[in-house]
Amino acid sequence: GAVVSQHPSWVICKSGTSVKIECRSLDFQATTMFWYRQFPKQSLMLMATSNEGSKATYEQGVEKDKFLINHASLTLSTLTVTSAHPEDSSFYICSARFAANEKLFFGSGTQLSVL
Amino acid sequence: AQSVTQPDIHITVSEGASLELRCNYSYGATPYLFWYVQSPGQGLQLLLKYFSGDTLVQGIKGFEAEFKRSQSSFNLRKPSVHWSDAAEYFCAVARGSTLGRLYFGRGTQLTVWP
Repeated sequence: GAVVSQHPSWVICKSGTSVKIECRSLDFQATTMFWYRQFPKQSLMLMATSNEGSKATYEQGVEKDKFLINHASLTLSTLTVTSAHPEDSSFYICSARFAANEKLFFGSGTQLSVL
Repeated sequence: AQSVTQPDIHITVSEGASLELRCNYSYGATPYLFWYVQSPGQGLQLLLKYFSGDTLVQGIKGFEAEFKRSQSSFNLRKPSVHWSDAAEYFCAVARGSTLGRLYFGRGTQLTVWP
């Protein structure tokens, strides 16, 4: 079946540095990808919708300059957390929508810890 | 505003017992509803979804859910739980017409005793 690969699975970085998270659809084309954030014991919160070849659409309250999203191809979207701070520590999950049938597949997530 | 409520944070059942996970939603129009399961180290997996039609929806792994508009509920059920069902379960509703933009509930952690 369709698989979404998210990399890295976990990352630790120093405060002030930037971190890039990749989301790849391995065997299908995804015109749209979505980025979520999950705090411990809480629900997933939609951060942004990423469309291939265009600017991402951010949800209210999400800083687009801090969370840079690029969707340069039909199989890859990236989320860059810029100038990361400890409060950015969280579990980030991407999902990809299969263009042919609009089925949605989720990556396994990235745990970000900012020291 | 749209929202999803899962009132049970943690549920424990014995293997072989029946299971019901509760989900209530708030949405003005006809909702698109989903149940996902999340196991450690794995992505969310879709169990079932409701868009329209028959209000009793069958999913994978023996799960089913019933959409009750009058109660704004979409509870997940399984007649006999297996130890491998232990995981986190999320109810979600689609935001508007863009499939993939989802509101999630906070999740219910299921523990299964042998």
